[in-house]
This record gives sequence, structure tokens and C-alpha cells, in this order.
Amino acid sequence: SAVISQKPSRDICQRGTSLTIQCQVDSQVTMMFWYRQQPGQSLTLIATANQGSEATYESGFVIDKFPISRPNLTFSTLTVSNMSPEDSSIYLCSVQAPQGGNGYTFGSGTRLTVV
Amino acid sequence: QQQVKQSPQSLIVQKGGISIINCAYENTAFDYFPWYQQFPGKGPALLIAIRPDVSEKKEGRFTISFNKSAKQFSLHIMDSQPGDSATYFCAASPWGNKLVFGAGTILRVKS
Repeated sequence: SAVISQKPSRDICQRGTSLTIQCQVDSQVTMMFWYRQQPGQSLTLIATANQGSEATYESGFVIDKFPISRPNLTFSTLTVSNMSPEDSSIYLCSVQAPQGGNGYTFGSGTRLTVV
Repeated sequence: QQQVKQSPQSLIVQKGGISIINCAYENTAFDYFPWYQQFPGKGPALLIAIRPDVSEKKEGRFTISFNKSAKQFSLHIMDSQPGDSATYFCAASPWGNKLVFGAGTILRVKS
């Protein structure tokens, strides 16, 4: 299965600022997914990022708040913009294994605290 | 709405016992059903997964049971160990599409 490196692993940010989270995969993948996991909660999909096209956002998430870049088949970034304490969560990227592989792999996550 | 309902919310099992977590889904287009294990401070890790062409899949102490007609699937952890204490998520998706996650089950195995 793919190996994902996610940076930073954690950060404490001031409200009103923005944080960009990076996700690097060790193999080329078509789709990359960004999830949010609020404290003690399940995973909620923010958006799906395909290389060469605009990301597809889930209901309740908008591009102005969570802009995503996908410049190539091994890298993506998620920016959390104009942060408020409600944005304090773990943000995770995920990729799908090649057909017939081991499903979906997750990065170790970015633990964001907004103060 | 695509949903996956998971129960129980938390579970305490004695060492050596069997842990059972259940999930139910609604969308008949789902044909991939993974279970993820998450330890504090870590991302979810794929534990075991099943496709609907089989009713059971076993990997070591972990077994998925799948009931297509009832639209239910469950995770059984045999001989539960303290190291199994973690949060477990079931999920479902059409193959090659986005995952829908259950709410999670916090498992504690008492030694």
C-alpha cells in the first residue's frame, strides 16, 4: 500500500490566520481525499482532489475556506483559511490503492489547534 | 443519504474475550466494506476489508461477517488483547469511490 507523509503533524495557530497542510505520497495516485476528524468524532470527507482538475467539495465545505491544490499525482495541499477555534481538528489525507490493492491509506494526520 | 450506522459506541472486553462491533448500511451501491483501527495521535489504519461476494473473511484474530440481505456487517476480534484497545471505524463505499464512515467504537480490553 502507499506510504503517505503529512506535514505538519501538529500546529497551534492564531484565529484569523491560515495553515497549509501538505500530503506527499510515495506513488502516483489518481484521487486524494481530505478528511476532518473533530475531537472524539468520526471522519468527515472535506473534498476529493484529482490532478489537473478542481477539487470536489462535500456539502458544508467550500473552496474559500478549504482551498486545495493538486499539482501532480503524488502531492496535494489543503489550506484552512481564516481559522477559528471551531476549526480545531485533525486533518487527514487519504489515497486509494491501485485497483485490487489494499483499499484506502491514511496519513498520520495534522492536529490543528486554533487559539 | 448515504449512512453507515455503527454500534456500540464503546465496548469493554476482558482479555481473551471476543469483541464484536456491528455496522449497518442503507446504500445498495456499496460494495466495499473496510474496518479501520485508530490509535490516539495516529491516522486510521486499514485492518481488514470485505467485498460482498463472500460472507466472511478472516485475518488472524480479526473476522468480518457480512450479511448482504440484511445490509449488515460486523467485526469480531477473537482473543482480545490490551494492545487491541483503540477506536474502530467501519466504512463503506462503491468500489473506487469515497468512503462513508461509521461513528466509531472505542474498545477497551481489560487485562
